[in-house]
Amino acid sequence: RKEVEQDPGPFNVPEGATVAFNCTYSNSASQSFFWYRQDCRKEPKLLMSVYSSGNEDGRFTAQLNRASQYISLLIRDSKLSDSATYLCVVNNDFGNEKLTFGTGTRLTIIP
Amino acid sequence: EPEVTQTPSHQVTQMGQEVILRCVPISNHLYFYWYRQILGQKVEFLVSFYNNEISEKSEIFDDQFSVERPDGSNFTLKIRSTKLEDSAMYFCASRGRTGEKLFFGSGTQLSVL
Repeated sequence: RKEVEQDPGPFNVPEGATVAFNCTYSNSASQSFFWYRQDCRKEPKLLMSVYSSGNEDGRFTAQLNRASQYISLLIRDSKLSDSATYLCVVNNDFGNEKLTFGTGTRLTIIP
Repeated sequence: EPEVTQTPSHQVTQMGQEVILRCVPISNHLYFYWYRQILGQKVEFLVSFYNNEISEKSEIFDDQFSVERPDGSNFTLKIRSTKLEDSAMYFCASRGRTGEKLFFGSGTQLSVL
């Protein structure tokens, strides 16, 4: 089983729609969780950390279910600029920041 | 926002040659990392570096790889004898204290011919 598993997509979504991504992780001892976005041939950029209580940042909402080892990201009112690959990332070693990345989910927002 | 700087942005080399990828982490950061991403694949951890020594390395980081912080500002990744399968985008990253955000550089695309 992959350490971090994501649906690779692609997701092609009309502008203004809501889109949801899911991710599962295999290591129950994982300590911290993130969503990154990566534009084509660019570096990953932190979108948001994910907390057990769920957290929101503008149009973005992230949820963590530790019991199911499941992480989600919801994007509301999607914009053309949201087109990117969304990476689910897990840190199994807090203090060492050895991040384990999923392969990413490709999102294209259609005008 | 502060930046991690990587040079060169592209490096082409012949198989068997040595390459050095250079990074200037953010100035007050203490922890340094190299990650790589083969085209079409996920980002993979290579090595972490703290207090002038390697704190952890992955199984990818074999004897052909080494890291160095030669002068207190640069952080380098050396590949001693490059293989075709070393072709990838190499990302340097740094952070301040434990739990703080990781900052990635824009990457060096290494092509081994």
